[in-house]
Amino acid sequence: NAGVTQTPKFRVLKTGQSMTLLCAQDMNHEYMYWYRQDPGMGLRLIHYSVGEGTTAKGEVPDGYNVSRLKKQNFLLGLESAAPSQTSVYFCASSYSQGGSNQPQHFGDGTRLSIL
Amino acid sequence: DAKTTQPPSMDCAEGRAANLPCNHSTISGNEYVYWYRQIHSQGPQYIIHGLKNNETNEMASLIITEDRKSSTLILPHATLRDTAVYYCIVRVRAGTASKLTFGTGTRLQVTL
Repeated sequence: NAGVTQTPKFRVLKTGQSMTLLCAQDMNHEYMYWYRQDPGMGLRLIHYSVGEGTTAKGEVPDGYNVSRLKKQNFLLGLESAAPSQTSVYFCASSYSQGGSNQPQHFGDGTRLSIL
Repeated sequence: DAKTTQPPSMDCAEGRAANLPCNHSTISGNEYVYWYRQIHSQGPQYIIHGLKNNETNEMASLIITEDRKSSTLILPHATLRDTAVYYCIVRVRAGTASKLTFGTGTRLQVTL
């Protein structure tokens, strides 16, 4: 059981380049989330999804887009990368049953540097 | 949004109990308290959560005060592997999904 898997683990981009981060979960969770973590700070929610085909904005959505075409996958896209997007990105997933009181399970992160 | 306050750092001797406090004085009646930890360079790891009763699992115990304005995470026999940043979080609704608002947490250093 792999849990939450993030691809890639590391990436370096130049300003203006685009890329997609992939999150895959094998726990049949309905909810999925993308967070970013900057040095010395807690995690901040970028976007989230409550089910296949649905997405919503979190605290810091600007500069990012997401898609949830399949239940098990949640993609985070950077259309035109900026140095301010240098961060560690974490994906998480959780069950919906229980009124959102289910714990979130996290991947090990993608470390992204924008030069 | 209910906010939490934690001490920035704590030390604990290996084998002793680590008691990590958290204040959440503005918590609403139906909001749960969650605890996560993050070991260096890894993703956050779920530890425990509760509403009003004390909770215990294989990792830790959670003690919530009767007025629910504060809680304590207890690691009964801390080991060096428990060195991590511990986050106390009150679940905040974001539409129909829960949103975890992470603060800066408590950095627990377990020493020999």
